[in-house]
Amino acid sequence: QITLKESGPTLVKPTQTLTLTCTFSGFSLSTSGVGVVWIRQPPGKALEWLALIYWNDDKRYSPSLKSRLTITKDTSKNQVVLTMTNMDPVDTATYYCAHSPLARNFDYWGQGTLVTVSS
Amino acid sequence: DIQMTQSPSTLSASVGDRVTITCRASQSISNWLAWYQQKLGKAPKFLIYDASSLESGVSSRFSGSGSGTEFTLTISSLQPDDFATYYCQQYNSYPRTFGQGTKVEIK
Repeated sequence: QITLKESGPTLVKPTQTLTLTCTFSGFSLSTSGVGVVWIRQPPGKALEWLALIYWNDDKRYSPSLKSRLTITKDTSKNQVVLTMTNMDPVDTATYYCAHSPLARNFDYWGQGTLVTVSS
Repeated sequence: DIQMTQSPSTLSASVGDRVTITCRASQSISNWLAWYQQKLGKAPKFLIYDASSLESGVSSRFSGSGSGTEFTLTISSLQPDDFATYYCQQYNSYPRTFGQGTKVEIK
C-alpha cells in the first residue's frame, strides 16, 4: 500500500525559504522507473506541476520556478525534500507530493499541506 | 510548455446524465494524457492514463478517448459521488502541465 504525507511550515514570511518534506511508504525510490513529484494548488485555482526526482537522482523542474526550486531525496529515510527560495504571497497554496510511475502520471497523492505566505 | 485547455469550465448536470469533458493540447501529445478527479479539500484521484486506460478500482462509468491534441473524458451515467472538478494532464514532455479544470455541478 503506497502512502505519502507532506510536512513543513504552515506559515512563512515573504523572502523566506520554504522547506517541505514528503515521507512515503510502500515503494522505494531506489527502484528503477520510480519518481516523486511536487505539485501545488493555490486556493480556488488549478494544479501546477513543480518538480520531479527520479530513482536515479535525475531531476526536472518547472521552467518558470527553476531558479527557486531544489528537489532532493533521502532513499534510506524514504523522503523527498523540496525547497523554494524567496517566497512571495502568490506562492500561497496547498502543496502535494505524489508517486509517479515511470515519471508519467501521478497515481498516489499525499493529503497536501497548505502553506500561507504572509508577513 | 504544452498548454492544456479544458472545456467547459463548469458543467451543470443531473444524476443519470451522460457527461463529456474535452481537453485540448497546444501540440500533439500522442496518447500521453491522464485524468484526475478532485473533490473539495481533497487530493486529486487518478482516474485514467494513456488517454483511455482505466486505473484499477475506478468505476467503469468513466471512460477516456482521443489522441494527438483532442481528448475527452466521459461519465456514462452521472452519480452523486461524481460531482467534483476534473483535470487533464499531459506527460508527453516537461514540464508536465494540467488543464484549468472542469467543475461538474448539480443542475
